[in-house]
Order: sequence, then structure tokens, then C-alpha cells
Amino acid sequence: EPEVTQTPSHQVTQMGQEVILRCVPISNHLYFYWYRQILGQKVEFLVSFYNNEISEKSEIFDDQFSVERPDGSNFTLKIRSTKLEDSAMYFCASTNQGGGTEAFFGQGTRLTVV
Amino acid sequence: GENVEQHPSTLSVQEGDSAVIKCTYSDSASNYFPWYKQELGKRPQLIIDIRSNVGEKKDQRIAVTLNKTAKHFSLHITETQPEDSAVYFCAASYAGSQGNLIFGKGTKLSVKP
Repeated sequence: EPEVTQTPSHQVTQMGQEVILRCVPISNHLYFYWYRQILGQKVEFLVSFYNNEISEKSEIFDDQFSVERPDGSNFTLKIRSTKLEDSAMYFCASTNQGGGTEAFFGQGTRLTVV
Repeated sequence: GENVEQHPSTLSVQEGDSAVIKCTYSDSASNYFPWYKQELGKRPQLIIDIRSNVGEKKDQRIAVTLNKTAKHFSLHITETQPEDSAVYFCAASYAGSQGNLIFGKGTKLSVKP
């Protein structure tokens, strides 16, 4: 069964450093998302991406965040200057047709900012 | 924007009993309501979903009901088993949107053998 894959599974970084989280969505999916889950809390929407551009973003997704689809398979989330409060599990997801269809989640990247 | 409230935050039941988790949403335009199960340290996995053109959907021991007028939907698990123990999240989105999901805060279900 096709699945969304994310790398790395765990990333430790120093405060102020840049990090790039990588995702490979399911190959025939067209809509891509990043979500964040702080330990013990709910899953929060960050950004959606379609047709090579951001389609929606939440208040969390400020100027420190950016997304890119550098080639036909990868989808990345960059945090320019990490803060302690960026520590969380970051999930990538993809859907075939956008709203109203099943979102498939990757296994997540646990980001720890020290 | 959409806001999803979920209750209870924790639920403990005996094996074989039923469990019910309730969610309310605020945006009447929302019309897609999935439920996700998340085991510790793992990804959320879809267990059932419902669209606003139906009031109820069943899949073996799991059912979801939707009341559009009251803007609430519920997850029902019958004959619970220890492997049902996990955190369950409800979510809402608008089918005409890009598909971003707004999640509830989650319910930690514990099924005691």
C-alpha cells in the first residue's frame, strides 16, 4: 500500500539553526500539507500546497516557515531560525483530491530544539 | 474559521463495553468529518469518515453519526477491545476547500481487560 514517508524520524537542533524536514507524498496525490503536534496536544494545521504554491496557511505558519516542492517527489518544510517552542512532531500529509477526501499522514518527524 | 470541540478528553471503559466520543463544529460550511486513531508515537490513521449528505455510517464495530442541525458528530465503538486503546481525534473540513483539517483536542481511550 502506498504511503507518505518522512525523513528524518528525529531531528535535534540548536535554537536559531535552520532545519529542513522532508516528505515524499503518495505519488498520484496532488494536495500536500504540513501539520504540527506539540507533545500531548492536538494536531494543528500549518499549510496546504497545491499546484506548486501555498493554498492556505494558519497563523502558526509565519515568516520563519517556508515550504517547497523542489522536484516531482519531495515536499519540504523549512524553519529558518528555530525556537524552543518549535519542538513538536511534524506530520506531512497528502490527498488525492483535496477537501472531502482521505488525508494520508506520514509517520512524522520529531523536532527537538535545544 | 472552523473550531472543533471534542469531549471527553479521557475515557476509560471495560473490555466489551461501548465507548462514545462527541465533537461539535462551528462552521456550517464544513461537510467532511473524519475520525483518526493515533497510537503512542505513531501517525494518525483514518478509521472512519462521514460526509454531510449522510447521517450515519458503520464499519464493523465502529460507527459515526452526524447531526448537521446541531453541528455535532459522534464516534461509537462497540464491543471494545484492549487494542482499541489509543487517542482518537475528530476533525472537520470543507469539501470545496484545499482539504486542510481542523482537529479536536483528542480523547484518550483506555480499554481495561
